[in-house]
Amino acid sequence: GENVEQHPSTLSVQEGDSAVIKCTYSDSASNYFPWYKQELGKRPQLIIDIRSNVGEKKDQRIAVTLNKTAKHFSLHITETQPEDSAVYFCAASEDYGQNFVFGPGTRLSVLP
Amino acid sequence: DAGVIQSPRHEVTEMGQEVTLRCKPISGHDYLFWYRQTMMRGLELLIYFNNNVPIDDSGMPEDRFSAKMPNASFSTLKIQPSEPRDSAVYFCASREYRDFGNTIYFGEGSWLTVV
Repeated sequence: GENVEQHPSTLSVQEGDSAVIKCTYSDSASNYFPWYKQELGKRPQLIIDIRSNVGEKKDQRIAVTLNKTAKHFSLHITETQPEDSAVYFCAASEDYGQNFVFGPGTRLSVLP
Repeated sequence: DAGVIQSPRHEVTEMGQEVTLRCKPISGHDYLFWYRQTMMRGLELLIYFNNNVPIDDSGMPEDRFSAKMPNASFSTLKIQPSEPRDSAVYFCASREYRDFGNTIYFGEGSWLTVV
């Protein structure tokens, strides 16, 4: 089955700096890669996703890149703000999204 | 739509008691997932249903856990008997199947403490 690794497990950046979180997956059949943000005490919520037929996707300060050959994808947050502080989860899905395998999460702290 | 609705939001129970968690998926969604989240193990998939049929329950930790989905708008996760190590946040999530790349939507979670 699919296995998703995520690094780093914790990340601290200064406000205004960029943050990068990286994930690798094992199953080449995976074709959909969402990212979720979970604030303290709340539910995970989708922030951006990418499909295997696209190499990069951007939404304002957030971007995701995908390298299918290397089987890794990354989340990039630019101009970080304190409200970006949260736990971020990547996930990989195969079989047209029947199931999702989540990475272990990255705790991002944006320091003012 | 109100989103995925879970109840109870918080529950504290004594070891050995039965716990029942409830979930109402988003209307029209045909996949329902139960996840458990702890600091140590992160987000774990327990079981998921497609059109009310359990598809994969390999994540259910042991026979004390059971899940049902009697109809498209309701699911339960039951723990009997409960143990302190079952303390966690239990999330229900749902998804509508379309051709490709559909994300799942989480409920607010049920925070379970077993003492």
